[in-house]
Amino acid sequence: QQPVQSPQAVILREGEDAVINCSSSKALYSVHWYRQKHGEAPVFLMILLKGGEQKGHEKISASFNEKKQQSSLYLTASQLSYSGTYFCGTGLNDYKLSFGAGTTVTVRA
Amino acid sequence: EAGVAQSPRYKIIEKRQSVAFWCNPISGHATLYWYQQILGQGPKLLIQFQNNGVVDDSQLPKDRFSAERLKGVDSTLKIQPAKLEDSAVYLCASSSYMGTSGGYTYEQYFGPGTRLTVT
Repeated sequence: QQPVQSPQAVILREGEDAVINCSSSKALYSVHWYRQKHGEAPVFLMILLKGGEQKGHEKISASFNEKKQQSSLYLTASQLSYSGTYFCGTGLNDYKLSFGAGTTVTVRA
Repeated sequence: EAGVAQSPRYKIIEKRQSVAFWCNPISGHATLYWYQQILGQGPKLLIQFQNNGVVDDSQLPKDRFSAERLKGVDSTLKIQPAKLEDSAVYLCASSSYMGTSGGYTYEQYFGPGTRLTVT
């Protein structure tokens, strides 16, 4: 089942913060986050496994709330390079992902 | 390390014609995926291979789509005959099995994709 992402789009100025949410109606094994720039392939950011762990990639971090079956991606002090569409992929097991519709992030100078 | 290779990058065909896409995964990756990404949507899994075998093809329209992975390396995805709604980007990904402090999972690496336009 496809996870639900919110918001659909967000516009930021450089240095501002944003949060992207990813929710599932089913118990999750893992959450994977990817960023895709226009016309390019999705690029892997990070994986979170059940257990409520939190991870970071430069100034991008994420959390996984196992009880709520929800993951949040935090963009801190955003840079122009953060622009793109962010997808969460949710795994019900250890090998198959379902991707959300994506959140388009636009960072302006 | 070379990434996932796909060809062609772009393809325009008329409806009812056939088309084939090719994918070469990262060396050593046993798992290979084909995704369909329609404009404005997330990738949708069509088929997943583990070495030569099919792990999941539940969302593959088998009346027109077929895929094979010979010798557990390269893979081809074919559409015959194509419909207008098949217009999309077809992404190939491969993955390595990784262990973390929380368990095991797959980290998927995507190729550049093939943009198919059916007219």
